[in-house]
Amino acid sequence: DQQVKQNSPSLSVQEGRISILNCDYTNSMFDYFLWYKKYPAEGPTFLISISSIKDKNEDGRFTVFLNKSAKHLSLHIVPSQPGDSAVYFCAASAGNAGNMLTFGGGTRLMVKP
Amino acid sequence: ETGVTQTPRHLVMGMTNKKSLKCEQHLGHNAMYWYKQSAKKPLELMFVYSLEERVENNSVPSRFSPECPNSSHLFLHLHTLQPEDSALYLCASSQGTRGVETQYFGPGTRLLVL
Repeated sequence: DQQVKQNSPSLSVQEGRISILNCDYTNSMFDYFLWYKKYPAEGPTFLISISSIKDKNEDGRFTVFLNKSAKHLSLHIVPSQPGDSAVYFCAASAGNAGNMLTFGGGTRLMVKP
Repeated sequence: ETGVTQTPRHLVMGMTNKKSLKCEQHLGHNAMYWYKQSAKKPLELMFVYSLEERVENNSVPSRFSPECPNSSHLFLHLHTLQPEDSALYLCASSQGTRGVETQYFGPGTRLLVL
């Protein structure tokens, strides 16, 4: 059973609008969450992360929100740009195994000009 | 070369072949990882090495055999694979393994087993 789920396999957004990518998890031991972005023929690259002691972390156009009670996190991209078109993975880890990441299945984001 | 490199980028092999995937990191990191990404499945952690010692073997079949001769190089030796082993194999590295550290990924080797 998948402990980290991204229920939307794809998302299409107009340039300049907000992109919201969602991720749900089941393991209550997870206390650190990351988002990775992947372009075709490249490996995933780290985008942004959040610790469970926070409910929001912002880095430029990217903001990650964490709702621990709902076991849900989301990535907001504002404004979306065509170069943001990629597959986005969320990942989670538990404190006692911090480097053992559990990944979601990914959401393909397409930003239309 | 910078970052994490993987060779070959593409590999086709028969079920009786023996092949090896190579990963090299140029970041001065002490931990390296092998992941597998099958079609329509999440990335799955296979192996973790810290300071050249294996610290995690995530229930991976013995037909996959990792080797870490030094902190910069990681190999995945393949033998008698099955068609269902066809996948993208990704290598990653991080500074350490004690806490949550950003993992830097290579571009992957796309493997097809016939």
